[in-house]
Amino acid sequence: NAGVTQTPKFRILKIGQSMTLQCAQDMNHNYMYWYRQDPGMGLKLIYYSVGAGITDKGEVPNGYNVSRSTTEDFPLRLELAAPSQTSVYFCASSHQWGQGGEPQHFGDGTRLSIL
Amino acid sequence: DAKTTQPNSMESNEEEPVHLPCNHSTISGTDYIHWYRQLPSQGPEYVIHGLTSNVNNRMASLAIAEDRKSSTLILHRATLRDAAVYYCILRDVNDMRFGAGTRLTVKP
Repeated sequence: NAGVTQTPKFRILKIGQSMTLQCAQDMNHNYMYWYRQDPGMGLKLIYYSVGAGITDKGEVPNGYNVSRSTTEDFPLRLELAAPSQTSVYFCASSHQWGQGGEPQHFGDGTRLSIL
Repeated sequence: DAKTTQPNSMESNEEEPVHLPCNHSTISGTDYIHWYRQLPSQGPEYVIHGLTSNVNNRMASLAIAEDRKSSTLILHRATLRDAAVYYCILRDVNDMRFGAGTRLTVKP
């Protein structure tokens, strides 16, 4: 099992450009999540999905969009990149969230700089 | 907005036990206590979780106070590879918020 795979690992964007961060998991998990982590801070939830076709906003969704067409994939889209979106982005997955007891499995992150 | 309070940093000597404290005085009855750690340049890694009773696994032990307002992550013999930021998190139905965590330094 590869677990949670994120691509690319690093990216530099210019202000106003758009890009898609890819996330794939091979554990047949229903739940998937996108977080961002600013320097010296903890992670903040951007969006999450409880299954194919279902997504919902987290704590900091502005400036991002997501889609979930398959169980395996959960891409994160930045439409108009802004310097405030410079961060490390982590994707995670879990079997379920409702019980609160399921651990999340994280990818290694995408380091994004917007100049 | 994190619902937990942890010391910013702690130090330990290699091969000695480490007790990482966490206060969560506003915990609700349905909140699970989760611990994750993050090594440099990696994503967070699940360590352990519990609800009311103490828990043990191959990585660590979790001691939960009887009133559930605090908990302690116990690493029985710290190694250099345990140097990381440790996050104590309360998870309920639709929320899992990371605070700044505790940066653990392990000295040889």
